[in-house]
Amino acid sequence: TVLTQSPGTLSLSPGERASLSCRASQSVTSRLSWYQQKPGQAPRLLIYDASNRATGIPARFSGSGSGTDFTLTISALEPEDFAVYYCQQRNNWPLTFGGGTKVEIK
Amino acid sequence: QVQLVQSGAEVKKPGSSVKVSCKASGGTFSSYGFSWLRQAPRQGPEWLGGIIPFGGPADYAQRFQDRVTITADESTSTVYMELSSLTSEDTAVYYCARGRLTIMGVANLDDFDLWGQGTMVTVSS
Repeated sequence: TVLTQSPGTLSLSPGERASLSCRASQSVTSRLSWYQQKPGQAPRLLIYDASNRATGIPARFSGSGSGTDFTLTISALEPEDFAVYYCQQRNNWPLTFGGGTKVEIK
Repeated sequence: QVQLVQSGAEVKKPGSSVKVSCKASGGTFSSYGFSWLRQAPRQGPEWLGGIIPFGGPADYAQRFQDRVTITADESTSTVYMELSSLTSEDTAVYYCARGRLTIMGVANLDDFDLWGQGTMVTVSS
């Protein structure tokens, strides 16, 4: 299953709302996760099963969608949120990741 | 604090093999599944395979099935990944990652709530 993320880069200011898209080439039901990755670090799980926040993840992060279209929303960007975000599906074997969206400071 | 600590960077010749280790500390090793993923520069992660200790043989992504071997040593809470027949296309950061427990507390290899720090593997002649 190919996951296509858009946009490739999102330029925003702290305090603004970010909406990131992930589209699957076939249905992944709700079995989609989102990760955040900062330079030189491993990915960190933010959202699993489309809309469930992982342990310790702030409420400003939310996920929605099902089937083939998913969205990660950051309600108000904090300075530490500028990073690359990946979606990952676990419904169809092998599990796959998207190419990422970079959220950069405008 | 639970953490996964991986072995250090490796430089290998084409055609050789590499073996990377991942030691889990601070948690219950046998309750979880562990996967290996890799990430080339400016790309998303790619899943190679995984293992659930006490849960039978490892599962592998089809494209790596002939070249990768994942094992677990319960006595030392360590997971290993060996990749053979290396080419320059295998140059990447390799991560071990712990599978998130399902709502019923079942181990899985499907998504990942704890990652190692990564091991850079460079394949060059």
